[in-house]
Amino acid sequence: GAGVSQSPSNKVTEKGKDVELRCDPISGHTALYWYRQSLGQGLEFLIYFQGNSAPDKSGLPSDRFSAERTGGSVSTLTIQRTQQEDSAVYLCASSFGLRRNQPQHFGDGTRLSIL
Amino acid sequence: GESVGLHLPTLSVQEGDNSIINCAYSNSASDYFIWYKQESGKGPQFIIDIRSNMDKRQGQRVTVLLNKTVKHLSLQIAATQPGDSAVYFCAELSSSNYKLTFGKGTLLTVNP
Repeated sequence: GAGVSQSPSNKVTEKGKDVELRCDPISGHTALYWYRQSLGQGLEFLIYFQGNSAPDKSGLPSDRFSAERTGGSVSTLTIQRTQQEDSAVYLCASSFGLRRNQPQHFGDGTRLSIL
Repeated sequence: GESVGLHLPTLSVQEGDNSIINCAYSNSASDYFIWYKQESGKGPQFIIDIRSNMDKRQGQRVTVLLNKTVKHLSLQIAATQPGDSAVYFCAELSSSNYKLTFGKGTLLTVNP
């Protein structure tokens, strides 16, 4: 596609439920990133992938968060047993490889609301 | 510690004026910087980037200036238009990792 695609665009769920967020990167981009943006805040890095591998998972807030990527393309971010503090916009970005000075291009995010 | 911050949280300008948005960073290992524009309900949109071996880079109506001596970055927008109204973020990348560190953003409002 022309840009990074994320689905769903909005998700409302009850506390304690699991949610799965999807990201489709720009075609040909091998690097993929997940960020979280809380209301009125900047972006917080969560995890990145080079191909299907995630070398650095230190940004994930807790062990309730996990992410995977298959086929070097689509990625899913899963949050188990959601809590109210998980409410945020989850943004995905991709870039043409992990070479330095390659700008990351973002999708429009999934707005997650935990009731 | 590492931080990227903005001097002004809000900026209001008249249509046609030039806008300057400032950003300070404290990580001397930062060697790549990006400016993003974020409109309401949208993801950050890449505007322009600059490497640490440069002090100025120009795009269409935008110029980014980098002063490594004082660890300062600025985005200049020429002939600001109502469509430029958005939150602008600076982001930095250090030489040791691949994650962008973002500032909290500046809200630019362009008055017609």
